[in-house]
Amino acid sequence: AQSVTQPDIHITVSEGASLELRCNYSYGATPYLFWYVQSPGQGLQLLLKYFSGDTLVQGIKGFEAEFKRSQSSFNLRKPSVHWSDAAEYFCAVGTPNGATNKLIFGTGTLLAVQP
Amino acid sequence: KAGVTQTPRYLIKTRGQQVTLSCSPISGHRSVSWYQQTPGQGLQFLFEYFSETQRNKGNFPGRFSGRQFSNSRSEMNVSTLELGDSALYLCASSSQAGGGGSYNEQFFGPGTRLTVL
Repeated sequence: AQSVTQPDIHITVSEGASLELRCNYSYGATPYLFWYVQSPGQGLQLLLKYFSGDTLVQGIKGFEAEFKRSQSSFNLRKPSVHWSDAAEYFCAVGTPNGATNKLIFGTGTLLAVQP
Repeated sequence: KAGVTQTPRYLIKTRGQQVTLSCSPISGHRSVSWYQQTPGQGLQFLFEYFSETQRNKGNFPGRFSGRQFSNSRSEMNVSTLELGDSALYLCASSSQAGGGGSYNEQFFGPGTRLTVL
């Protein structure tokens, strides 16, 4: 069965510091991979996605993620965090060959940003 | 284009009651999915509809049901509410059904916050 693991429940970084949020997935092949962000009281906003090709993908708000097949990982990175990045981040997988748009989400990582 | 809208945004019910939540997808989108978000279970898939047909269903009891109308608007209903049904219910729309090796980006609404007392 497909699953997504985000091992860090809560992370605190200082403004201007770099950030890496971890995501590992379990799937028989290469799934579709996504990172979403959720601000308090809001829905989910797509940051970036990976389907195939270049394993380093660029997203919105200065985020990037790298797909590593050998590690079944899709970690999210940002070189310099801004206070407005404080939010909850979700990694998700989708099924390329299934007749569905269904996403399976990780449990999320709550990011706090210190001034 | 207007985004995905969900009504109501907040709802308070008591145990045993039933509730209906509504989702209006982005204009032109024909696929609607529903997710339940709770602190304990995270984001869990409920259902997926395309052109009024349920294409996929998550692992939820029969108290949870849904439907989609010809204008692509969707409703979900929860009967005999339990305390554990308190959650944020998110709706997402996309232009096409999944499958065929193509991806259809999903756009999420702001959610309906359901509190069961």
